[in-house]
Amino acid sequence: QLQLQESGPGLVKPSETLSLTCTVSGGSISRSSYYWGWIRQAPGKGLEWIGHIFYTGTTYYNPSLKSRVTISVDTSKNQFSLNLSSVTAADTAVYYCARLPPHADSSAYYYAFDIWGQGTMVTVSS
Amino acid sequence: DIQMTQSPSSLSASVGDRVTITCRASQSISSYLNWYQQKPGKAPKLLIYVASSLQSGVPSRFSGSGSGTDFTLTISSLQPEDFATYYCQQSYSIPWTFGQGTKVEIK
Repeated sequence: QLQLQESGPGLVKPSETLSLTCTVSGGSISRSSYYWGWIRQAPGKGLEWIGHIFYTGTTYYNPSLKSRVTISVDTSKNQFSLNLSSVTAADTAVYYCARLPPHADSSAYYYAFDIWGQGTMVTVSS
Repeated sequence: DIQMTQSPSSLSASVGDRVTITCRASQSISSYLNWYQQKPGKAPKLLIYVASSLQSGVPSRFSGSGSGTDFTLTISSLQPEDFATYYCQQSYSIPWTFGQGTKVEIK
């Protein structure tokens, strides 16, 4: 059974870089047509899509974060990672990683986050 | 950006009630609409994808409908484990966006 687990520091100082890793177990991150994504949720707030990546390295980012975010993949370790630079208190949130399998019909591919990690709380504070 | 607006923001209902949550997109998103359930302290769980397809393992009392700009999530007979917050999400265009959430509480 596929599982995702986020890991990384729970406390990051303002202006520094937040770095998280999502480890995929029970299946290969290189499986054809799957994307892998990051989503965050500030305390008491809703969900915000950060971006997602294909195992070949193709990425899509939220334009509101694009200048600060990098998502990368390491197929040898079955992991993908999130780097968010120049963080502020507004980046304090629970960060989730999730899988994006394709659902196809005759004309298009559709994507939804079907398997999620448990989430990891990251606080930005000095 | 496509804005996703859910209504109501919260509701109170009793076990056995039929519950309907609406999600409206600021422009047409075809059927690129997903629904998630989130319980406190837990990761969201996918319920419905492509507007009306039931995710494997999700009880059949959950159903989704709609296309274009107007979508609905229906719980046919509310169960105790269904008290949670529900989010819609569009994957039609970047940036993918979520609704603000609908909290379903016990009456």
